[in-house]
Amino acid sequence: RKEVEQDPGPFNVPEGATVAFNCTYSNSASQSFFWYRQDCRKEPKLLMSVYSSGNEDGRFTAQLNRASQYISLLIRDSKLSDSATYLCVVIVGSTLGRLYFGRGTQLTVWP
Amino acid sequence: GAVVSQHPSRVICKSGTSVKIECRSLDFQATTMFWYRQFPKQSLMLMATSNEGSKATYEQGVEKDKFLINHASLTLSTLTVTSAHPEDSSFYICSATSSGGGRGEQFFGPGTRLTVL
Repeated sequence: RKEVEQDPGPFNVPEGATVAFNCTYSNSASQSFFWYRQDCRKEPKLLMSVYSSGNEDGRFTAQLNRASQYISLLIRDSKLSDSATYLCVVIVGSTLGRLYFGRGTQLTVWP
Repeated sequence: GAVVSQHPSRVICKSGTSVKIECRSLDFQATTMFWYRQFPKQSLMLMATSNEGSKATYEQGVEKDKFLINHASLTLSTLTVTSAHPEDSSFYICSATSSGGGRGEQFFGPGTRLTVL
């Protein structure tokens, strides 16, 4: 079983739509959680960390459910520039430890 | 955020040749660097973890004699793909973290696209 599972999509939504991505992780010892964004043929870039209490950064809201081992990302008022692949990332154990990546969820926002 | 560079950004080589990829942290000291490989439409797969001054730790299934990693300083790690074959064609990405990276954030290089003919 993979450490991190994501629905690969693709998600195709119009501008202004709200879209949600989900991710599950298998290791209950997972300590840190992140969403990264990867544009085509580019390196991943940190979008936001995910905290147990849930956190929001502008149009982006991330939530963590430790009991269900489930992470979500909500994007409100989608922009064309949000088109990318969103990677769910988990660190097991030490915060300096290795990252486990989901395969990513592809989002396309159309005008 | 911190900057990590990779060189070259793209390389095309003949089968059987060796290719060296450099990963540099430009404005911080990277105690740990990671090397990933990503095939089209696949997730990043960790190949090895490299700590400055010590031998790299390879993930299961990654041949350490084929993918040579050297982390000679706190700002430079190199990955050498020896006797490259077409199946080694992939996107190779390094990342670096510092001892002060308490959030666990890793900083990624821009990647190297390797094509083996």
